[in-house]
Amino acid sequence: ETGVTQTPRHLVMGMTNKKSLKCEQHLGHNAMYWYKQSAKKPLELMFVYNFKEQTENNSVPSRFSPECPNSSHLFLHLHTLQPEDSALYLCASSPSEGEAGELFFGEGSRLTVL
Amino acid sequence: GQNIDQPTEMTATEGAIVQINCTYQTSGFNGLFWYQQHAGEAPTFLSYNVLDGLEEKGRFSSFLSRSKGYSYLLLKELQMKDSASYLCAVKDSNYQLIWGAGTKLIIKP
Repeated sequence: ETGVTQTPRHLVMGMTNKKSLKCEQHLGHNAMYWYKQSAKKPLELMFVYNFKEQTENNSVPSRFSPECPNSSHLFLHLHTLQPEDSALYLCASSPSEGEAGELFFGEGSRLTVL
Repeated sequence: GQNIDQPTEMTATEGAIVQINCTYQTSGFNGLFWYQQHAGEAPTFLSYNVLDGLEEKGRFSSFLSRSKGYSYLLLKELQMKDSASYLCAVKDSNYQLIWGAGTKLIIKP
């Protein structure tokens, strides 16, 4: 099993749909992150969970709703999205938040909103 | 504000050497990271610098000057598989990662 797994890899949805992105990590880490990656822009941190508690919400619109049932799983629930939300959504994990050390990324979910 | 600058795109020849620069202005400093990201794939960790100087890891080296707010990633003996985006990121005083927009490296035969 790879370290951080994201599903689905690709998702196309209409603006009225409801869908969810899933992330699972097999590294025994306690911090998990959602990032948005748009072309030619820096990674945008969306949400951080540390020991299942949300510690960061970077002014993300409420049409994005995260859920972290345990330290190994992270979801991003999507509803009434806009075309400008089309991007690559990356999940990452680390041993714990607020420490030195690198992030481990999943391969991302490519989202297209029509 | 906090800012990371790196070139948008660079082109180099197979077998050559390329240097990708990164300058940063952040609130505090707790280390600088370089990641590699192939198209459609996850970013993967390449290097971490927290002290001034050069860190060498095989064909890749990373340099840091904290007083200048400057780092570079040096890739030697370029191979076609090195074609990717290279992301520079700095951890600030709150251990938040500040990201550059990435440098797309194109390797030509």
